[in-house]
Amino acid sequence: DAGVIQSPRHEVTEMGQEVTLRCKPISGHNSLFWYRQTMMRGLELLIYFNNNVPIDDSGMPEDRFSAKMPNASFSTLKIQPSEPRDSAVYFCASSAYTGTSGRSTDTQYFGPGTRLTVL
Amino acid sequence: AQSVTQPDIHITVSEGASLELRCNYSYGATPYLFWYVQSPGQGLQLLLKYFSGDTLVQGIKGFEAEFKRSQSSFNLRKPSVHWSDAAEYFCAVGDTGGGNKLTFGTGTQLKVEL
Repeated sequence: DAGVIQSPRHEVTEMGQEVTLRCKPISGHNSLFWYRQTMMRGLELLIYFNNNVPIDDSGMPEDRFSAKMPNASFSTLKIQPSEPRDSAVYFCASSAYTGTSGRSTDTQYFGPGTRLTVL
Repeated sequence: AQSVTQPDIHITVSEGASLELRCNYSYGATPYLFWYVQSPGQGLQLLLKYFSGDTLVQGIKGFEAEFKRSQSSFNLRKPSVHWSDAAEYFCAVGDTGGGNKLTFGTGTQLKVEL
């Protein structure tokens, strides 16, 4: 299995530009998570999807951030317009959510991350 | 809401020495608990997880963790550290109420002296 695939691995852009980060989850997984990691704030969950439906976007910092999951094998995280404080490593993770009542036991598998630098 | 505390930001050990990384959680019921490791420039890799049953959990790379309900802890241990274990280690607790969101601790950076 190729694991979670993220692209690009590195992105350098100028303030005000639109940035799109991409993620391909592990085949068969139906949950997808977007995280942001910075030195100051650590690892933060931005948004997650179950079966392509956004479940919790309370971690999305502001309206400049948006995420979509048009199908089970692809998701995007878009920042428009980008700002220097958005510089971070963005991780995508996927898991096989059972969706049954009670507790989920699913492990999240992380991609290698996209290092974003906004100048 | 659940939370995780990793009280040690940095830990330095000598190669061959034993290791214990601390993790305390706050959760209203029996938690799902995880330890992940992150090497520089890499994503997070699962070391081990606890869902139920035996409170001593074995993981990859010779790591183990013990769930202690009375202490709300899930400390990670390794009897003999290798230089390649230098990395950042994250403890996480699973979501309440049937969801699958994880809450991560702030991480512990492990340095191994040769």
